[in-house]
Amino acid sequence: SQQGEEDPQALSIQEGENATMNCSYKTSINNLQWYRQNSGRGLVHLILIRSNEREKHSGRLRVTLDTSKKSSSLLITASRAADTASYFCATDVRGSQGNLIFGKGTKLSVKP
Amino acid sequence: NAGVTQTPKFQVLKTGQSMTLQCAQDMNHEYMSWYRQDPGMGLRLIHYSVGAGITDQGEVPNGYNVSRSTTEDFPLRLLSAAPSQTSVYFCASSVRQGHQPQHFGDGTRLSIL
Repeated sequence: SQQGEEDPQALSIQEGENATMNCSYKTSINNLQWYRQNSGRGLVHLILIRSNEREKHSGRLRVTLDTSKKSSSLLITASRAADTASYFCATDVRGSQGNLIFGKGTKLSVKP
Repeated sequence: NAGVTQTPKFQVLKTGQSMTLQCAQDMNHEYMSWYRQDPGMGLRLIHYSVGAGITDQGEVPNGYNVSRSTTEDFPLRLLSAAPSQTSVYFCASSVRQGHQPQHFGDGTRLSIL
């Protein structure tokens, strides 16, 4: 069951530009999390935003959550080549006992 | 702290063979989980555990067994490998179930011939 769907599937930008990735989901959530995966590595947690929060920042990352639209966005400002990775949203769905459901990811390529 | 350690990193099996994927964490986390990642599919939950002696099935449990005899270890067993189980397997842990970020290992890349 695919709860979260990221958009776009792939994104290619130049260093210094901003990158925006979107995630839509289907059912009510406790929280939504964003993860990064570098090629050949495991996922790394970036940000957790709770259902009663609307925006969260961490360094160059900004996450928004709109529960009325069942959507979230991840903004990476001033992208660097090192930001090249796949980005996944994961939802902690209400009633799912806290297990996460992952989307299919957005593949970001930042060109130097 | 090593975090979440998975072994082996790569494995090739023949159809019908069995094997155990190892996962260990040194963060004293209660919650541990196994996912598989297939191209274009994202991560799907296989099994999870909320503490020693407690395990439960995720979205795709068929063909896999787990046990949790200690807080640190959560091995995943393939009973009789099938080509459909060719995938990258990730183990993850968190302080407890729900409302928590998960910490992932670097994965085991498994090919079934």
